[in-house]
Amino acid sequence: SQTIHQWPATLVQPVGSPLSLECTVEGTSNPNLYWYRQAAGRGLQLLFYSVGIGQISSEVPQNLSASRPQDRQFILSSKKLLLSDSGFYLCAWLMNTEAFFGQGTRLTVV
Amino acid sequence: GQQVMQIPQYQHVQEGEDFTTYCNSSTTLSNIQWYKQRPGGHPVFLIQLVKSGEVKKQKRLTFQFGEAKKNSSLHITATQTTDVGTYFCAGSWTTDSWGKLQFGAGTQVVVTP
Repeated sequence: SQTIHQWPATLVQPVGSPLSLECTVEGTSNPNLYWYRQAAGRGLQLLFYSVGIGQISSEVPQNLSASRPQDRQFILSSKKLLLSDSGFYLCAWLMNTEAFFGQGTRLTVV
Repeated sequence: GQQVMQIPQYQHVQEGEDFTTYCNSSTTLSNIQWYKQRPGGHPVFLIQLVKSGEVKKQKRLTFQFGEAKKNSSLHITATQTTDVGTYFCAGSWTTDSWGKLQFGAGTQVVVTP
């Protein structure tokens, strides 16, 4: 069966530090992968999506970047975190238009 | 860009009452989905609507897709405390599997016993 893994679950990072969040999918090939961010009490903001290795589309200009080094791996990064980067980051895999979400990473930038 | 608007943002409901949350797009959708996110959790898929005027039911939940495929609603009857959470609609404007999914802002539901 297909599963999606996301880690870490929680993260506290100082302002200016780098960030790397990883998402991997098992049980499928060539998945469409997405990164969403959810600010506290807010909706889901689409950050990046990828339809294949090395193919990244950015939805909003920001302090973050994404990479897809392998078919089933999607990484969200930042060189220098800002306070405004705090939020709940969710990786999602789209199968037949239905989204399956990872458990999420709750990032607090201090 | 394409987006879906969802109202209301908050919904306080007395246990046993009904409520409805609405989702609108300015352009015709290919399909619309509904997700539920429990407090502290991640969104979980509830249902997908594809056809114009489609109505689907899941126990006390009724989902509807408008005739013009530009709006959708979720109606919950006899609300229970287990219905607490945030309900999101998510729209897609393409039938291709690589189509992006844009989420509404969500309706946060609080149930008072």
